[in-house]
Amino acid sequence: GESVGLHLPTLSVQEGDNSIINCAYSNSASDYFIWYKQESGKGPQFIIDIRSNMDKRQGQRVTVLLNKTVKHLSLQIAATQPGDSAVYFCAEKSAPRGGGNKLTFGTGTQLKVEL
Amino acid sequence: GAVVSQHPSRVICKSGTSVKIECRSLDFQATTMFWYRQFPKQSLMLMATSNEGSKATYEQGVEKDKFLINHASLTLSTLTVTSAHPEDSSFYICSARTMQETQYFGPGTRLLVL
Repeated sequence: GESVGLHLPTLSVQEGDNSIINCAYSNSASDYFIWYKQESGKGPQFIIDIRSNMDKRQGQRVTVLLNKTVKHLSLQIAATQPGDSAVYFCAEKSAPRGGGNKLTFGTGTQLKVEL
Repeated sequence: GAVVSQHPSRVICKSGTSVKIECRSLDFQATTMFWYRQFPKQSLMLMATSNEGSKATYEQGVEKDKFLINHASLTLSTLTVTSAHPEDSSFYICSARTMQETQYFGPGTRLLVL
């Protein structure tokens, strides 16, 4: 969604476990979704994307699931590693009335991997 | 993936001065670049869309006379924060969009206005 908050939700997982990060979006017309990883003090890094004509896409250790019925997106990270610790943002691409398109970012989730 | 750079990575300036931040796409041409601002523990907020050879499109609530954007070439966009004040202190991030519509982000610029 487009909401912005002062307190990032946090997900703590044990090293080696699977992580699931969730995101709700608001614009039913959005046709493209991306997950980004942002480490402290750095810019967002592209992880994986999915178009609205798909409901699942897999990458290396990551899977994105899209449920258009409930406007929900999730990122699954297999065998979570300490290097996965970061803030994860979902983003949806929308086409504003004035033309062009832009990304709208979700609030973000802080993933902490415990040893 | 494609590489986007920003310069400077961090800058400290006095209140009332202007600061210019550069965003470059290093290995691809980008007709469209974007400028975001991010406050601590918050998400990225789009400030403006920078279009090569034309005026930038600003988001609601962003002062175009305060945040000047110039996209003079297919690989360079600049953001100038004019008459900066402490409340402008933030993390400014640019992104560049490829022909395939993927956006790649720069490493960000930390601005501190004293």
